[in-house]
Amino acid sequence: DVKVTQSSRYLVKRTGEKVFLECVQDMDHENMFWYRQDPGLGLRLIYFSYDVKMKEKGDIPEGYSVSREKKERFSLILESASTNQTSMYLCASSSRPGVFQHFGDGTRLSIL
Amino acid sequence: DQQVKQNSPSLSVQEGRISILNCDYTNSMFDYFLWYKKYPAEGPTFLISISSIKDKNEDGRFTVFLNKSAKHLSLHIVPSQPGDSAVYFCAASARNTGNQFYFGTGTSLTVIP
Repeated sequence: DVKVTQSSRYLVKRTGEKVFLECVQDMDHENMFWYRQDPGLGLRLIYFSYDVKMKEKGDIPEGYSVSREKKERFSLILESASTNQTSMYLCASSSRPGVFQHFGDGTRLSIL
Repeated sequence: DQQVKQNSPSLSVQEGRISILNCDYTNSMFDYFLWYKKYPAEGPTFLISISSIKDKNEDGRFTVFLNKSAKHLSLHIVPSQPGDSAVYFCAASARNTGNQFYFGTGTSLTVIP
């Protein structure tokens, strides 16, 4: 069965900290994505990656960066966490562009 | 600006009746549409899709209808079951412009036993 695993379900960090959110997929998918979900705003794309070491900005990349050193792993980095980055973060993967994505269960991140 | 809109934040339906969830979009370039279902504390799971070359796609109790002229799609669930209670997201993409899906804000469906 297809599996996208996010390393933490809940995370609490302090303002100014560097935060790493990790995501691993076991489906050998080329494409991986990071979204954030906020009430009244739905899912918004932060970054995505077509291949190892490749990355593309989504709609809201400011304050974030990503790393894809291995095909199965896609990391989201908050360079200097701020309170407005408190949110639910969802990782996803897909086998090719333009098809449905498989999602992880999310990381609820609180920045204090 | 929200390119995909779900104007009903919530919907309650009696078990056995039809649930109709609606979604509107503004970008006429969108040509592929998805519905996802999300339970609390879980990620969204893919439910059903439709391409713009069709106006209807059916999978068991779930049917998606697409009205391109109105830029509107709807998800019908018949008959509704308590296990269908979840948040439903619609999403749209324009295949010739890449990989990005745009998501609506979600509709929380409650099916009352």
